[in-house]
Amino acid sequence: TQLLEQSPQFLSIQEGENLTVYCNSSSVFSSLQWYRQEPGEGPVLLVTVVTGGEVKKLKRLTFQFGDARKDSSLHITAAQPGDTGLYLCAGAYDKLTFGGGTRVLVKP
Amino acid sequence: GAVVSQHPSWVICKSGTSVKIECRSLDFQATTMFWYRQFPKQSLMLMATSNEGSKATYEQGVEKDKFLINHASLTLSTLTVTSAHPEDSSFYICSALAGTLYNEQFFGPGTRLTVL
Repeated sequence: TQLLEQSPQFLSIQEGENLTVYCNSSSVFSSLQWYRQEPGEGPVLLVTVVTGGEVKKLKRLTFQFGDARKDSSLHITAAQPGDTGLYLCAGAYDKLTFGGGTRVLVKP
Repeated sequence: GAVVSQHPSWVICKSGTSVKIECRSLDFQATTMFWYRQFPKQSLMLMATSNEGSKATYEQGVEKDKFLINHASLTLSTLTVTSAHPEDSSFYICSALAGTLYNEQFFGPGTRLTVL
C-alpha cells in the first residue's frame, strides 16, 4: 500500500504571507499531482510533476518533486484569500493515492 | 477540455430508498472512471474503479451490492446507492481518466447525498 502523508494538516495565515505544504511517502511514484478543492466542489488539478528534482511554477505557486520521486512540496508566495482551500497531493502508481490533505485558510 | 459533470449535485432521500448518481465526461471519452467518497474535512477515499464494458473493481471494504456501478458507455458511469441508510450520507465524487500523457484524473463537482 502506498501511503502519502501531508503536512501540516491545517494552516492559517494572513494575506501576503508565504506557506509551504509537504507531501511525503516511502514509495516511489511515476508522477505526482497536486489538486485544490473548495468546499462543496470536486478537486481541480493544479499540476503534474514527473521528473525527480522537477520544479514547476504556476503564478505564485511553486511545485517541487523530490529527487527520488517520493516527496513533493507546494509553496505559495504572497498568499491571497482566493488561495483558501483544501490542497491534496496524489501519487500515481497503478491508481491515484491521495494524501490526507492540507486545509489552508488565508485571512484578509 | 477534460470536463466531468455529475448529476444530481445534491440529493436528499429517505432511508431504504435507492439513489442513482451519474458521472459524465463531456468533451472526451473515458474508458476508466473512478468513484470516491469524502467525509467532512477529510481526503478522498477511493471506492471503486469503473471500466467501460466490464465489471467495476471495488476497493477493500466497499460492498459491491450496496454501491452498484455501471459504465455502459465511454462517457457515462453511474453509481447507485441501494437501500440507503443515514451512514451512507456523504459527498460522492467521480473522476475520469482523460488519456493524457501522465494519466491525470479529472474530477466531477461532486454529489452531496443526505439520507434521512
